[in-house]
Amino acid sequence: QVQLQESGPGLVKPSQTLSLTCTVSGDSISSGGYYWSWIRQHPGKGLEWIAYIYHSGSTYCNPSLKSRVTMSVDTSNNQFSLKLSAVTAADTAVYYCARRDRTSGALFDYWGQGTLVTVSS
Amino acid sequence: QSALTQPPSASGSPGQSVTISCTGTSSDVGSFNYVSWYQQYPGKAPKLIIYDVNQRPSGVPDRFSGSKSGNTASLTVSGLQAEDEADYYCSSYAGSNTWEVFGGGTKLTVL
Repeated sequence: QVQLQESGPGLVKPSQTLSLTCTVSGDSISSGGYYWSWIRQHPGKGLEWIAYIYHSGSTYCNPSLKSRVTMSVDTSNNQFSLKLSAVTAADTAVYYCARRDRTSGALFDYWGQGTLVTVSS
Repeated sequence: QSALTQPPSASGSPGQSVTISCTGTSSDVGSFNYVSWYQQYPGKAPKLIIYDVNQRPSGVPDRFSGSKSGNTASLTVSGLQAEDEADYYCSSYAGSNTWEVFGGGTKLTVL
């Protein structure tokens, strides 16, 4: 059974960098069949795709967030990470990590439970 | 504002059918047969219920079906049950510049 678990600070100050890690179990990031993704949901709102990364390190980003997003992958610990710089209150959201099938599109088949990140001083 | 347009709400009585639309453009829904639908209960992560326009993952009841015509995709829930009351989101692949887009979500109420 594939499981994903987000971890990271629940509170970030404005202008600082949000950092989250997703730990994957039940599958190997190195297997190559998937993109490893971050998706967020503003309170009471819809879903917004942020970015995904392949095990090689190739990263694909939402154009609206690209200038602030950095992703990395740690295959030895089966983890991948998100850094979002220069955050504002508009970045307050539940952040999900998810697995995206490489052979299809928009196919996020396993999700973490989500972690709420609040941007506030 | 979400890239894909969904009605904010939909409703139906138990046993009835309800269809939720998802309108995109010729750059996303209209160009690729990569439309997915997700079901989300309050406080929970989304769950994949339809992929590749009309394919169901293992374990998803066949009461859920998907289709597409032009720039609009649709999710139909037949034989509505109380447990179908949830938020539903569509998503589409949008090519190698935009990558992935989501709809704003539809709250389905079972009357």
